Amino acid sequence: KQEVTQIPAALSVPEGENLVLNCSFTDSAIYNLQWFRQDPGKGLTSLLLIQSSQREQTSGRLNASLDKSSGRSTLYIAASQPGDSATYLCAVPGSNSGYALNFGKGTSLLVTP
Amino acid sequence: EAQVTQNPRYLITVTGKKLTVTCSQNMNHEYMSWYRQDPGLGLRQIYYSMNVEVTDKGDVPEGYKVSRKEKRNFPLILESPSPNQTSLYFCASSLSWGLNYGYTFGSGTRLTVV
Repeated sequence: KQEVTQIPAALSVPEGENLVLNCSFTDSAIYNLQWFRQDPGKGLTSLLLIQSSQREQTSGRLNASLDKSSGRSTLYIAASQPGDSATYLCAVPGSNSGYALNFGKGTSLLVTP
Repeated sequence: EAQVTQNPRYLITVTGKKLTVTCSQNMNHEYMSWYRQDPGLGLRQIYYSMNVEVTDKGDVPEGYKVSRKEKRNFPLILESPSPNQTSLYFCASSLSWGLNYGYTFGSGTRLTVV
């Protein structure tokens, strides 16, 4: 079964810093990888979707990379803002693990003014 | 606006009283799924539906039912809710499973069973 791990579990940074969130997965047979943002008690908002054939995707201050062979993805947030404070989740649908999205436990990010 | 709509957003109910959480998508997506999110356990799949003809159990299906009578709707049914079903529930959809399409999630339903 696909195991998805996110490190660190929590992160606190001052406003303006660049930061990197990590996601690793055990089975490289994935169709794609998606990063989500979740505000406390709220729904999941899709940030970036990386196809299995792609190496990275960018949206504004966000950049996500994917290395299937090593089972890793990173989410880079440039010039962090207090509004970026949320939990960030990565999810992978695997070809060998049924028909479910496999989620990491998330990284809880706090950006202080 | 393309979206997945869940109702209700919040629900408090008593043990044993049947309830339905509705989920509707307006994107003509084939694949739909239900997840529950619990502290320390993350998101776990309850049921999924590949299309209107195929529905199957996920990782934690006990105590739940679903139906997919039409493409846009995928309600989650709790026939006899119990306190261990207190959770945050999410419905998700995608154009198709196994292809390079992302997943859209609803805003969630916070259920409390007392």
